Amino acid sequence: AQKVTQAQTEISVVEKEDVTLDCVYETRDTTYYLFWYKQPPSGELVFLIRRNSFDEQNEISGRYSWNFQKSTSSFNFTITASQVVDSAVYFCALVYDRGSTLGRLYFGRGTQLTVWP
Amino acid sequence: DAGVTQSPTHLIKTRGQQVTLRCSPKSGHDTVSWYQQALGQGPQFIFQYYEEEERQRGNFPDRFSGHQFPNYSSELNVNALLLGDSALYLCASSLQYQETQYFGPGTRLLVL
Repeated sequence: AQKVTQAQTEISVVEKEDVTLDCVYETRDTTYYLFWYKQPPSGELVFLIRRNSFDEQNEISGRYSWNFQKSTSSFNFTITASQVVDSAVYFCALVYDRGSTLGRLYFGRGTQLTVWP
Repeated sequence: DAGVTQSPTHLIKTRGQQVTLRCSPKSGHDTVSWYQQALGQGPQFIFQYYEEEERQRGNFPDRFSGHQFPNYSSELNVNALLLGDSALYLCASSLQYQETQYFGPGTRLLVL
């Protein structure tokens, strides 16, 4: 079974602080992909980052960075120098790859991030 | 490059009625997935369509049905609406064999 857990329900920070969003996943599959999506109040889910299960190299993209550790089944996401516009609900998600079919996304319950000016 | 579009943006129905939601995928995408997001929850997978066929289905009753057209656009139909069907319905598109799904703005359905 696939499961994604985001233990942090809400996080509040002041602008320019760094913030890390935690994600822990469960899967028996060896090939899978992990994602972070952002959902502003408008409701649209915006794709942010993707990592496949064979690539544990951590990367930085602008103010975003992520830490993928298979040993602890974690895929944490960090925003550096947060801004008010970063306020949104952030979802971690997983999709497994079985043969030629890529299917459903399994989402966590989301973390509400509020950045105060 | 047009992204995923959905219509209508908002909808109010009463219990027992039927509703049809529509989705046009991102240009070049051939696979459409539908998700239901209740307030304060993560999106839950309803089903996925590719080549006009339902390829995968989540844990939703048969009241939820769908269709994909030759131009890859899709419809989600819900019959005999219940109060619990009130949610944000999200459509996502992707390319077959590609893992990233791109979402539309959603349709907010309220069942009274």
